[in-house]
Amino acid sequence: KNEVEQSPQNLTAQEGEFITINCSYSVGISALHWLQQHPGGGIVSLFMLSSGKKKHGRLIATINIQEKHSSLHITASHPRDSAVYICAVYTGANSKLTFGKGITLSVRP
Amino acid sequence: GAVVSQHPSRVICKSGTSVKIECRSLDFQATTMFWYRQFPKQSLMLMATSNEGSKATYEQGVEKDKFLINHASLTLSTLTVTSAHPEDSSFYICSASQGLRNQPQHFGDGTRLSIL
Repeated sequence: KNEVEQSPQNLTAQEGEFITINCSYSVGISALHWLQQHPGGGIVSLFMLSSGKKKHGRLIATINIQEKHSSLHITASHPRDSAVYICAVYTGANSKLTFGKGITLSVRP
Repeated sequence: GAVVSQHPSRVICKSGTSVKIECRSLDFQATTMFWYRQFPKQSLMLMATSNEGSKATYEQGVEKDKFLINHASLTLSTLTVTSAHPEDSSFYICSASQGLRNQPQHFGDGTRLSIL
């Protein structure tokens, strides 16, 4: 069993829809990263959080430490949101990350 | 936000060639840099962790003589794929961190390596 599980694996949405991507982990963590990877390969850090909720533009990330679960929400989705969304957790004293497999999101116009 | 520059973005070369990839942190001191490899539709696989001024720590199964890592300054780490073969073709991506607990990793744009 992977230490970081993401669901669903693939997701297709219509432009404008509210989207939720989930991440569950089975290890103790110090923080969690939501990352976005576009088809070209570059990775952008969306959020790093260790508790509660963060919001940036149309993106909202929440984490429940007790339940070992985090969600990434996209409001008013747009085709440019199409990408792979990766959940990764910090588990040690250093900055080493453990990655989920990522979710491929396609937003149709 | 913090910027990490990775160069080159794409390399196509013949089998047997050695290829050097550079990873630079442009606006912060990167005490720790990470090198990852990613196969199509797979997640990132950590190859090695490098701390400035010391030898890199390689993950199990990664050949240190094959993938040479140098982290001689707080802003630059290099990965050299020595005597590359077609099976080394992959997407390589670096990230940089200030190395302290809970400091985020900042990722480069990656290098797509194709060995003919």
